[in-house]
Amino acid sequence: AQTVTQSQPEMSVQEAETVTLSCTYDTSESDYYLFWYKQPPSRQMILVIRQEAYKQQNATENRFSVNFQKAAKSFSLKISDSQLGDAAMYFCAYRLLNYGGSQGNLIFGKGTKLSVKP
Amino acid sequence: KAGVTQTPRYLIKTRGQQVTLSCSPISGHRSVSWYQQTPGQGLQFLFEYFSETQRNKGNFPGRFSGRQFSNSRSEMNVSTLELGDSALYLCASSPGGGDLAFSGANVLTFGAGSRLTVL
Repeated sequence: AQTVTQSQPEMSVQEAETVTLSCTYDTSESDYYLFWYKQPPSRQMILVIRQEAYKQQNATENRFSVNFQKAAKSFSLKISDSQLGDAAMYFCAYRLLNYGGSQGNLIFGKGTKLSVKP
Repeated sequence: KAGVTQTPRYLIKTRGQQVTLSCSPISGHRSVSWYQQTPGQGLQFLFEYFSETQRNKGNFPGRFSGRQFSNSRSEMNVSTLELGDSALYLCASSPGGGDLAFSGANVLTFGAGSRLTVL
């Protein structure tokens, strides 16, 4: 069974600084997707960034970038120039590609609570 | 474009009762998935519906059920509520069809959730 582990329950960063959130996963599959979702206090889960496992290039979305190490099964999220609005729970998630006709469900880590200090 | 709408946002029930939660997906999205979020277990997949058919199911007891209508709106039902069913229930929609290797079908958009408290 696939599992996703986020080893940092809480992290803190100073405004304008850079922070990296860790995520490791376990799978025997070779084709899958990895995601980072953000859940602010409003509870709505928002997609931050997505990585296709077959792509070697690390995904980037503005201030957000990932370090995807497929052999190590590691998928960390780097937030540059942190802003107060980045404060939220961040969830790492995994999903199989072409899961038997279904899209495959997301498997989430337990989350990392990020605080941003002014 | 309207987002994923979940109703009700909050509700309180007592043990033994049943509850129905509703989810309206983004217009044009045909896949609806449901997740349960609790402090102890985190986010767990309940089921996924596509074109009115359940095509994927998580490891939950039969008290949890769902359905999807022809307009892609979905409902989930929990019967004989237990204290442990207290949770945030999240619905997510996606286009769901076509070649899943392409990006459009693989992004789930979540609603704000329904917070269920069982007393």
